[in-house]
Amino acid sequence: EVQLVESGGGLVKPGGSLRLSCVASGFSFTYAWMNWVRQAPGKGLEWVGRIKSYTDGGTTDYGTPVKGRFTISRDDSRNTVYLQMNSLQIDDTAVYFCSSDDIPTWGQGTVVTVSS
Amino acid sequence: DVVMTQSPLSLTVTLGQPASISCRSSQSLVFSDGNTYLNWFQQRPGQSPRRLIYKVSDRDSGVPDRFSGSGSGTDFTLKISRVEAEDVGVYYCMQGTHRPRTFGQGTKLEIK
Repeated sequence: EVQLVESGGGLVKPGGSLRLSCVASGFSFTYAWMNWVRQAPGKGLEWVGRIKSYTDGGTTDYGTPVKGRFTISRDDSRNTVYLQMNSLQIDDTAVYFCSSDDIPTWGQGTVVTVSS
Repeated sequence: DVVMTQSPLSLTVTLGQPASISCRSSQSLVFSDGNTYLNWFQQRPGQSPRRLIYKVSDRDSGVPDRFSGSGSGTDFTLKISRVEAEDVGVYYCMQGTHRPRTFGQGTKLEIK
């Protein structure tokens, strides 16, 4: 079964850090380009960033609001993609989803709340 | 960043009737490889989004054939030939041609 499972969300103070994980199964993760997308409460979808497969260079791109603060990485031995979030701001409060360009299914999301 | 503009933002349709959502981009979405990376996503109430259409008109596996995508350049459309109750939700277009990728604001589909 094709599946993406996110974890690592929680409550963090402004200026803090958090690392999210997304474990993939049921498809060829090694060759997949992986994305992070977020959705603030009651709002639409916002693209956070993407990491290419290592066979395609493993490079990353980020949305404008998170560039310089967030970092995406991957561990193909664990079929896992990570989102390291630093200097968190209140506006980063959202459900964070991972997705892949290779499959239509998204994960269930993990909730990040930034509040003092 | 490329701006994606959807219309309408809200749509109420009678069961069995067609529905159409427009998505316009601020720049052409034709990539250097000749492909146009325009996707459509559906988010049902309380659920995660799922992709319906990729590269303008390619339907994902399991997506009913009443969903179709069309368009070119900067102007794209998602059509539902006969709306069913399970189609209620919010629909988003997203461009993957330019960095960063960007989503439209979403169109909420309700049943009359």
